[in-house]
Amino acid sequence: GESVGLHLPTLSVQEGDNSIINCAYSNSASDYFIWYKQESGKGPQFIIDIRSNMDKRQGQRVTVLLNKTVKHLSLQIAATQPGDSAVYFCAENPAGNTPLVFGKGTRLSVIA
Amino acid sequence: NAGVMQNPRHLVRRRGQEARLRCSPMKGHSHVYWYRQLPEEGLKFMVYLQKENIIDESGMPKERFSAEFPKEGPSILRIQQVVRGDSAAYFCASFDRTSYTFGSGTRLTVV
Repeated sequence: GESVGLHLPTLSVQEGDNSIINCAYSNSASDYFIWYKQESGKGPQFIIDIRSNMDKRQGQRVTVLLNKTVKHLSLQIAATQPGDSAVYFCAENPAGNTPLVFGKGTRLSVIA
Repeated sequence: NAGVMQNPRHLVRRRGQEARLRCSPMKGHSHVYWYRQLPEEGLKFMVYLQKENIIDESGMPKERFSAEFPKEGPSILRIQQVVRGDSAAYFCASFDRTSYTFGSGTRLTVV
């Protein structure tokens, strides 16, 4: 299940199940969104991105959904594996070369 | 392509000392962003630089912090007279119009 701890929200899933990580973004003018995976002691690693003219994009085992009406982004991971355990961040790009704005992050814990 | 290179990976400084963090962007990238990450938190924007120019420093504290990206060499984030609250992971990212790539970060510990 999903819980909000003292700091990062945590999502625990069984190995093989699908994971859904949610993110609310703040700027309705943002036109580009990215999901990053961050493992302990490492930098953010690009997973998948989506532009505002799309509402769904699929990658390998991952799907990003964008709902501009409610400013909501989600990351779906199919058949979650232990190697997927990490902190996941969504980031929005308000425009062009402006800095990415990161969400709070969700810690995904995969139970073998 | 070696990706975005940051060094050192770990840096320990005593209170009052200076910290210098280096970032070499991906080959051909001329835009660099610096972010700070506290434990259990997201990345917070600090400064955006192009070669020889600071484009946006709205996220960087006005005192003790400075950044540069010279024509030759890496981008440098400099923290003078460090305090315990500066302890964090500092990441840089380079951008080439289509994608942002992050380095592995420098973990600064102030003792």
